[in-house]
Amino acid sequence: IAGITQAPTSQILAAGRRMTLRCTQDMRHNAMYWYRQDLGLGLRLIHYSNTAGTTGKGEVPDGYSVSRANTDDFPLTLASAVPSQTSVYFCASSDGTSGKDEQFFGPGTRLTVL
Amino acid sequence: GEDVEQSLFLSVREGDSSVINCTYTDSSSTYLYWYKQEPGAGLQLLTYIFSNMDMKQDQRLTVLLNKKDKHLSLRIADTQTGDSAIYFCAERRAAGNKLTFGGGTRVLVKP
Repeated sequence: IAGITQAPTSQILAAGRRMTLRCTQDMRHNAMYWYRQDLGLGLRLIHYSNTAGTTGKGEVPDGYSVSRANTDDFPLTLASAVPSQTSVYFCASSDGTSGKDEQFFGPGTRLTVL
Repeated sequence: GEDVEQSLFLSVREGDSSVINCTYTDSSSTYLYWYKQEPGAGLQLLTYIFSNMDMKQDQRLTVLLNKKDKHLSLRIADTQTGDSAIYFCAERRAAGNKLTFGGGTRVLVKP
């Protein structure tokens, strides 16, 4: 593994179902993030984690939960999916300590909720 | 994000210069970034500028920052077909390491 991986690549989901999007990084970064990308709205932060064991809410957290049991993994869970959660989801990570603190992005998960 | 605004679309001829503009509202921004997203891929950092700088040049890329007007621009010299992508500006505020992204500018380079 080099960088950030996300799984699945894409998923079609029935409304009301539970879904977990997976994200793993091998850069030993402290901070990790989940964004959703919607046309014309750019990327909006859902949840973030500054270090293992801590999480925080972003701009659009409702309907989503995260956990950060270790440094490498940051899964995003939709407890009961709704059609408005149809989007492309990106996971990112950063060192969290350096000046410019570049965020590195995964390839994304395209989720469709019917 | 509503605090960072960009135009939606830019069309440019191959070989010409492209200028992508961005405005932001938070005067406490520390770093400002330009990310590039190619079709079907995640974002990649293209360049960035620290808030105490006015200009940064990196090969074909020039970033201009006007803190008074809260305006950021990215100029791509000698634009090539491989520059066709969506470009996002983002700001990092003084508190924390979270980024606020603009809506993205789709750049189409015509041969």
